[in-house]
Amino acid sequence: DAGVIQSPRHEVTEMGQEVTLRCKPISGHNSLFWYRQTMMRGLELLIYFNNNVPIDDSGMPEDRFSAKMPNASFSTLKIQPSEPRDSAVYFCASSLLPGQGSGANVLTFGAGSRLTVL
Amino acid sequence: EDKVVQSPLSLVVHEGDTVTLNCSYEVTNFRSLLWYKQEKKAPTFLFMLTSSGIEKKSGRLSSILDKKELFSILNITATQTGDSAVYLCAGKNSGNTPLVFGKGTRLSVIA
Repeated sequence: DAGVIQSPRHEVTEMGQEVTLRCKPISGHNSLFWYRQTMMRGLELLIYFNNNVPIDDSGMPEDRFSAKMPNASFSTLKIQPSEPRDSAVYFCASSLLPGQGSGANVLTFGAGSRLTVL
Repeated sequence: EDKVVQSPLSLVVHEGDTVTLNCSYEVTNFRSLLWYKQEKKAPTFLFMLTSSGIEKKSGRLSSILDKKELFSILNITATQTGDSAVYLCAGKNSGNTPLVFGKGTRLSVIA
């Protein structure tokens, strides 16, 4: 398996522009998580999906952030409009739901998308 | 609210030293504690601990969980420069809710 695949790896954009980050989870994983990481705040959970259904989006900072998971193999995180304070590394991670195998609860992370908003 | 606290926040040691990283947790209906290593890219999984007092070991790294005192430690013996990374600890409850991560310990091993 190629692991969790994220794109783009790096994105530099100007304030006010729309940003779309993409994620392909590990095949067979049924939980997907979006995290944001900064030096100041560490790793913050933004939203997670179980079986493609959004379960908790309370970590999404503002209405400018939205996430979708149209099918089991694809998710997007969109920021519109972007602001400089959104600059961070955004990680997608996937796992099996609890009780569905020995690897359940173990998150596998993608390589991250480094976003810089000027 | 569930939380995980790691200490120290950062640590600088010389090659060959032994280090101990600490993680305390408050997780309702606690199920397991996980350690991850993050170098320049994504966090990579190290250990998952579910039972108290049973040491998990991988090479020079080992970890143990104390469910009575609600903490875990990660030990690294004979440190090498390649051990330089941020080490993240995360707690998991028995439900379907996500891991709760600590802020990490940044370890720097200098030659």
